[in-house]
Amino acid sequence: SAVISQKPSRDICQRGTSLTIQCQVDSQVTMMFWYRQQPGQSLTLIATANQGSEATYESGFVIDKFPISRPNLTFSTLTVSNMSPEDSSIYLCSVEVGSGYGYTFGSGTRLTVV
Amino acid sequence: DQQVKQNSPSLSVQEGRISILNCDYTNSMFDYFLWYKKYPAEGPTFLISISSIKDKNEDGRFTVFLNKSAKHLSLHIVPSQPGDSAVYFCAASAEGGSNYKLTFGKGTLLTVNP
Repeated sequence: SAVISQKPSRDICQRGTSLTIQCQVDSQVTMMFWYRQQPGQSLTLIATANQGSEATYESGFVIDKFPISRPNLTFSTLTVSNMSPEDSSIYLCSVEVGSGYGYTFGSGTRLTVV
Repeated sequence: DQQVKQNSPSLSVQEGRISILNCDYTNSMFDYFLWYKKYPAEGPTFLISISSIKDKNEDGRFTVFLNKSAKHLSLHIVPSQPGDSAVYFCAASAEGGSNYKLTFGKGTLLTVNP
């Protein structure tokens, strides 16, 4: 299965600033997924990132707030822009593994906005 | 609208006994279901899955049961071990794989006491 290196693992940021989260996969994958888990909530898909095309955002998420880059088949970044305390969450990237519908996740980025 | 529901936030069992984690869903388009385990500071790891054409799938100590008419699935862990202590997420996917989006429940914290 794929191994994902996600960084930073955690950060404390000032409101109004931006944070870029990186995910590096040890193999080439077509699609990468970005999730958010707010305190006490389920994992929620933010967007799907294909290499060479614009990311596809889920309802409630917009590119201006969560710009995503996907420069190649092993790397993606998610930026959380103009942060507010409501953005305090765990952010995770994910890739599909094989045909069994299992997905591998990064270790997550715990973001606290103060 | 929570399409995947895990109504028990936590569950505590004794080592060696059976752990039963429950999950309900509302979207009749879901046709694939997955369970993930998550330790603190780590991303979720894939545990076991089941297609809607089956009603049971077994992998070692882990068995998932699906009751489509009741829109209910459960994960059985037997015998439970202290290392099983983690948050367990139920997830569902629709359209047989052409839709990569996973919808997650809020998770159940399982504590296995020695």
